[in-house]
Amino acid sequence: KAGVTQTPRYLIKTRGQQVTLSCSPISGHRSVSWYQQTPGQGLQFLFEYFSETQRNKGNFPGRFSGRQFSNSRSEMNVSTLELGDSALYLCASSFDRTGGNSPLHFGNGTRLTVT
Amino acid sequence: GQSLEQPSEVTAVEGAIVQINCTYQTSGFYGLSWYQQHDGGAPTFLSYNALDGLEETGRFSSFLSRSDSYGYLLLQELQMKDSASYFCAVKPGSNYQLIWGAGTKLIIKP
Repeated sequence: KAGVTQTPRYLIKTRGQQVTLSCSPISGHRSVSWYQQTPGQGLQFLFEYFSETQRNKGNFPGRFSGRQFSNSRSEMNVSTLELGDSALYLCASSFDRTGGNSPLHFGNGTRLTVT
Repeated sequence: GQSLEQPSEVTAVEGAIVQINCTYQTSGFYGLSWYQQHDGGAPTFLSYNALDGLEETGRFSSFLSRSDSYGYLLLQELQMKDSASYFCAVKPGSNYQLIWGAGTKLIIKP
């Protein structure tokens, strides 16, 4: 079974631009979550989607948005990029709602650099 | 607020045993999970505790005490490949996302 696939792996953008990141979950998984990870930091929760509906949202500005499609694939978008948005963006899928005994399966992430 | 605390760094010797602690303050509790992340890699699920006690999976064990809001990950027979960051995470309720600790960097010396 294929794992979680995130594209692209690396991205370099300039301030003010926008970016779209893509995530294909494990087949059969209905929940997709997005996290931001900066060096030495834990995982900062962005949002969770389940059956095309946003179920939870983290404490990030409205520049960060996402969506989930009927095939469970998900995208996240960051508009008006700032230098502080440089980070590793991780997508994770799970069969059911995140956490508990439905573990998260992470992709390898998209490393975004904003210059 | 809701928070998890774990040590930022732990050092141990190859072949030894190490314990990584995690204390939590959350509005509710469904379970405690542990994830491992190697440098440059993706976090991978290690274990999950919903009830008090010890869960063993090979060289790794995880313990939970709900009355103390405390858990730990125990790694035995340490190998160099165990050098990684370890994260604990708690789900406070059915409609909540996981709350994550900042991670513990495990350094293993030969």
